[in-house]
Amino acid sequence: EAGVAQSPRYKIIEKRQSVAFWCNPISGHATLYWYQQILGQGPKLLIQFQNNGVVDDSQLPKDRFSAERLKGVDSTLKIQPAKLEDSAVYLCASSFRDITDTQYFGPGTRLTVL
Amino acid sequence: AQSVAQPEDQVNVAEGNPLTVKCTYSVSGNPYLFWYVQYPNRGLQFLLKYITGDNLVKGSYGFEAEFNKSQTSFHLKKPSALVSDSALYFCAVRDMPNAGNMLTFGGGTRLMVKP
Repeated sequence: EAGVAQSPRYKIIEKRQSVAFWCNPISGHATLYWYQQILGQGPKLLIQFQNNGVVDDSQLPKDRFSAERLKGVDSTLKIQPAKLEDSAVYLCASSFRDITDTQYFGPGTRLTVL
Repeated sequence: AQSVAQPEDQVNVAEGNPLTVKCTYSVSGNPYLFWYVQYPNRGLQFLLKYITGDNLVKGSYGFEAEFNKSQTSFHLKKPSALVSDSALYFCAVRDMPNAGNMLTFGGGTRLMVKP
């Protein structure tokens, strides 16, 4: 089966610009996650969707980050405006149902903010 | 709050020797524990998980991990290391049922297997 797809793979922007990332989960997976992985650290959960509803966005910096999953399949994560400290790899993951299921990760989008 | 510690930033081992990557956790309820591996410019790949049952869990690529409740540990092991095992390894925990669905990752351990 196809894995989690993400695009773009790399993005370079200047601070105060906006950027958007796209994720397509594994077919049939109801739960979708966005993580931020700063260099040298483990991934940190930003937001979790169950179908098209938000389950957990407690660690999402809502003043600049937003995410949506309108039809319960694909998702986009947006940063506006970007800051230098947003430079990181943004990982999307999906799981079949929820808390007991394994999360499968996409290749990530490496964001560099100059 | 749930947390994970991977006390070693890097583990060096010779090819053919056994390897251990350490992980300890802290939860208030029952832990669900996971190991993931990350190769350069790739996303995380699932290796194995402990939910319940047998304390020794076997996973992909010959890896296994042992859940030790008294020591709150979930160390990753492999009897004979391969050069191709060189990668970044992450331990993760979910505190059941207290932390909702959040998976907390450790900081990662870089495994270097030398020929």
